[in-house]
Amino acid sequence: AQSVAQPEDQVNVAEGNPLTVKCTYSVSGNPYLFWYVQYPNRGLQFLLKYITGDNLVKGSYGFEAEFNKSQTSFHLKKPSALVSDSALYFCAVRDGNQGGKLIFGQGTELSVKP
Amino acid sequence: DTGVSQDPRHKITKRGQNVTFRCDPISEHNRLYWYRQTLGQGPEFLTYFQNEAQLEKSRLLSDRFSAERPKGSFSTLEIQRTEQGDSAMYLCASSSPDVQRSIYFGEGSWLTVV
Repeated sequence: AQSVAQPEDQVNVAEGNPLTVKCTYSVSGNPYLFWYVQYPNRGLQFLLKYITGDNLVKGSYGFEAEFNKSQTSFHLKKPSALVSDSALYFCAVRDGNQGGKLIFGQGTELSVKP
Repeated sequence: DTGVSQDPRHKITKRGQNVTFRCDPISEHNRLYWYRQTLGQGPEFLTYFQNEAQLEKSRLLSDRFSAERPKGSFSTLEIQRTEQGDSAMYLCASSSPDVQRSIYFGEGSWLTVV
């Protein structure tokens, strides 16, 4: 069965420092990987995805993510964090063999302090 | 592209009452998904439609829950005889059938059962 793990419930970063939010996955078919962000009382906003090709994918708001097949990881990164990046981040996998639904991790709360 | 629209955004109901949520997907998307999210958790898959056909239902979708998409456009999610454990945010999402394409979420419908 497909699954996603986000090992950190919370990540704290100072503004201007680089940030990393970790994600590992397990899927039987080809992994299609996604990151979403959620602000309080809002829906999920799409940030970026990995489908195929270059292992480093770039997305919205300066975020990027690195796909590592051998480590089954898809960590979200940003070179310089902003206070406005503070939110809940979800990693998800979409298995092409399972009807295309997304399976989400538990989420990581990112807190960026001035 | 007006995005995924959900209505109502918030609903407070007494235990035992029935509630219905509506979702209008992005117009060219023929796949529609329902998820449930409780505080501190990632979204959990409930069900999905391709056009008007309901192709998969999660075990989370008890017999008190019913989802429809009668004309392959908007969808409704009805919860009968609500229980306090049904309190959650109900998220709707849509996509094209190509699993390499992104899934886009609405703002969610908050349900509070008192």
